[in-house]
Amino acid sequence: DIQMTQSPSTLSASVGERVTITCRASQSIGSWLAWYQQKLGQAPKLLIQKASTLESGVPSRFSGRGSGTEFTLTINSLQPGDFATYYCQQYSTFKTFGQGTKVEIK
Amino acid sequence: QVQLVESGGDLVKPGGSLRLSCAASGFTFSDYYMAWIRQAPGKGLEWVSYISGSSSNTVYADSVKGRFTISRDNAKNSLSLQMNSLRAEDTAVYYCGREVLGIVDYWGQGTLVTVSS
Repeated sequence: DIQMTQSPSTLSASVGERVTITCRASQSIGSWLAWYQQKLGQAPKLLIQKASTLESGVPSRFSGRGSGTEFTLTINSLQPGDFATYYCQQYSTFKTFGQGTKVEIK
Repeated sequence: QVQLVESGGDLVKPGGSLRLSCAASGFTFSDYYMAWIRQAPGKGLEWVSYISGSSSNTVYADSVKGRFTISRDNAKNSLSLQMNSLRAEDTAVYYCGREVLGIVDYWGQGTLVTVSS
């Protein structure tokens, strides 16, 4: 099974800051990586697929990079609505999620 | 607009059974793979199972293989998950999702399954 490890588990930041979340795969997954945002009490929302392709309607302050085993999600100029938990998900072999990164208000 | 509405979540005793349903609308249901993903209380996401549009391909996570069965009725735009031999560790919110090439682009609101004596 492919394991996905996110870091950090929790990230404290202020509105306007730039934040980066890292996701590492236990083996190469090419670019078969997605990022989701989940707000408290809600279902996840797809942000990015194929490591760097932004979904329609997702603000351009979100960006994804990486390939192989190391990936990043960057949020430029954090907005109040961005405080949430973010999950990476590989879909190279079956599907597995990272454990999540909670972005909280500093 | 795409809508997915889950139902069937309940409190069930260990070893018991439960059937979840997901009603889909707003898209051509038979054209899409569909998936069940779960989230234990306060925990992360786990892909449980997925099924092809024609039902010819079904895949399960090792944690539920042999206990859960995914199925669909394209005439009724409905997805189901039959869960048998339930364990405490199956306690979770179960989400129905529309799957496109391995990712979920639309999610339902979830239904809570609690396994406890």
